[in-house]
Amino acid sequence: EAGVTQSPTHLIKTRGQQATLRCSPISGHTSVYWYQQALGLGLQFLLWYDEGEERNRGNFPPRFSGRQFPNYSSELNVNALELEDSALYLCASSSGTVFSNQPQHFGDGTRLSIL
Amino acid sequence: QKEVEQNSGPLSVPEGAIASLNCTYSDRGSQSFFWYRQYSGKSPELIMFIYSNGDKEDGRFTAQLNKASQYVSLLIRDSQPSDSATYLCAVRYSSASKIIFGSGTRLSIRP
Repeated sequence: EAGVTQSPTHLIKTRGQQATLRCSPISGHTSVYWYQQALGLGLQFLLWYDEGEERNRGNFPPRFSGRQFPNYSSELNVNALELEDSALYLCASSSGTVFSNQPQHFGDGTRLSIL
Repeated sequence: QKEVEQNSGPLSVPEGAIASLNCTYSDRGSQSFFWYRQYSGKSPELIMFIYSNGDKEDGRFTAQLNKASQYVSLLIRDSQPSDSATYLCAVRYSSASKIIFGSGTRLSIRP
């Protein structure tokens, strides 16, 4: 069974640009979660998508947005990039909603570097 | 008070000993609890999950949950150098549609 796949592995941008990160969940999983992990810090919840809808978002500005496609893959878009957006962005998927007890499984992440 | 708290460590344990990792949470209605292992520069890997009070064992790992005291722990028996990593505790809160992660405990197994 293929795991959660994320692309690209690394992404280098400059301040003010826009970045798009992609995630394909495990087959059969309908929920996708996005997290930000800055260097040396914990996981910060960004967004949760389920069945194509945004179900919840963390304490991040509106320039962090995304969507989920009919095949349950997802995109995370970050506009007007700032230096502090440099982090590892992790995508996770689960077979149920966050209200179920199903654990989340993580992809390898996209490392976003802002110059 | 943080929603999910872990001692950041580092916790140093000799090889072959038992490593004990602890996590406390603030939402008394929390239902699901997860332990992830994260090697440096890698993504979190699910180790165990527990939903009911008591112990749950899987190989060298044992998760312990005490809802009355609002803590969950992870025991690693016969610690190996390959167990050296950061261990993340995650809690599904009853009132919010998200899972809260602790900041992690760095574990170091010394030969």
